[in-house]
Parts: sequence; C-alpha cells; structure tokens
Amino acid sequence: GAVVSQHPSWVICKSGTSVKIECRSLDFQATTMFWYRQFPKQSLMLMATSNEGSKATYEQGVEKDKFLINHASLTLSTLTVTSAHPEDSSFYICSARRTGDTQYFGPGTRLTVL
Amino acid sequence: SQQGEEDPQALSIQEGENATMNCSYKTSINNLQWYRQNSGRGLVHLILIRSNEREKHSGRLRVTLDTSKKSSSLLITASRAADTASYFCATDAGSGSRLTFGEGTQLTVNP
Repeated sequence: GAVVSQHPSWVICKSGTSVKIECRSLDFQATTMFWYRQFPKQSLMLMATSNEGSKATYEQGVEKDKFLINHASLTLSTLTVTSAHPEDSSFYICSARRTGDTQYFGPGTRLTVL
Repeated sequence: SQQGEEDPQALSIQEGENATMNCSYKTSINNLQWYRQNSGRGLVHLILIRSNEREKHSGRLRVTLDTSKKSSSLLITASRAADTASYFCATDAGSGSRLTFGEGTQLTVNP
C-alpha cells in the first residue's frame, strides 16, 4: 500500500507557457502533501507544504505566484509552474503523508523548458 | 534549507565489499530516514530510525544513530551492482513532519 503517482512523468514545454503536474495518493487519504524540486546531482529542496482544503505554505525563496499549488482533495494535489522559463527546468517530486505516518514519494516529473 | 551533510559525496567500491555512508545534522530530530534514488527516478524509502534508537537492521542494511553527535551512518553489506544509486538521509524534526534532506552520497558498485 501507500502508493503515490505523478503525472506526467516528463514534460517539455516552451518558455512562457504554464505546466500542471498532478500528484495522487492511490490507496490512502493524504492529509498533507509536499512538493520538492531537485536539480541535477543535487539533493531535494522542499518547495511547499499543502494541507487539504487550505493554502499551501511555501519555503523561503519560493515564489507562490509562480508555483501554484492546489490540494483540493485528500488524494490529489497539483503544482502549476506558471510562465515557465529554462531555469525552472528540474525534477519535481511530490510526497504524501497521512496523519501520524511517514511520507510516501511519487516517481517524479522531469520538466524541461525550452 | 538543507541541514544534513553527507560524506562521502561519492563512493566507488567493488561488488561484495561493504559501503558506509555518513550523515550529520544540526537540529534535534524525531527520526532520521534513509532513501535511495536511482538516476532520474523517485525515492525509495529504506529505513527509519527513531531518536530513541541507536541501531537498526533491515536485510543488508544497518543504520546507526548518535544523537549526541547528531550523526547517522548507513552500512550496506555485501554490496551488489544493483545497489548503485544516490543515497540520502532525511531528518524529521517532528513538527508537521517536513523532511530535511542531506546532500546525498553517490554510490557506485562495480561488478
């Protein structure tokens, strides 16, 4: 159990467009979901924490107007990269957690902005 | 921000040898976790050790935790080529269960 999926697994887009990434907990209800970004050969950096039905909490230095997070249900959170630029190219990973449990990570989404 | 530091940054060994990776952190923790990441893939949870535990085993993995030194080690015994991956430690301070990841160790096991 405790499977988390992400869609798409990879996406290529033109500079200036917006990209939406979905994170789903398939067999459990996630009270909290987390979004991370990972640049090549680097570690995971937490971008934001979202609780179902409330606004996301962003880490320092992460622009909330650029990285829109919606956690509309207990099984789905979305990250929208608005007006994407080449420097936003990265590996985006979500995780989901149910109360009192550990985090379960999705397989990641590779974003390439041309 | 990353509070964990891992060493070595890269480790190359022969199949059958043991691999030891270390992780240090700065603040008090509720638990510490180790993850594996194959190139371009998601994270695989390996093991969790709580702050009141000193050692934990899971198959070929052995994790130690020294809260007085704020450090942990991951030992992989009898390594295999399939163990080639990046290994990350992550600390959970307990409030909101956010994880803070270390910089990672790139392990290469040569056949």
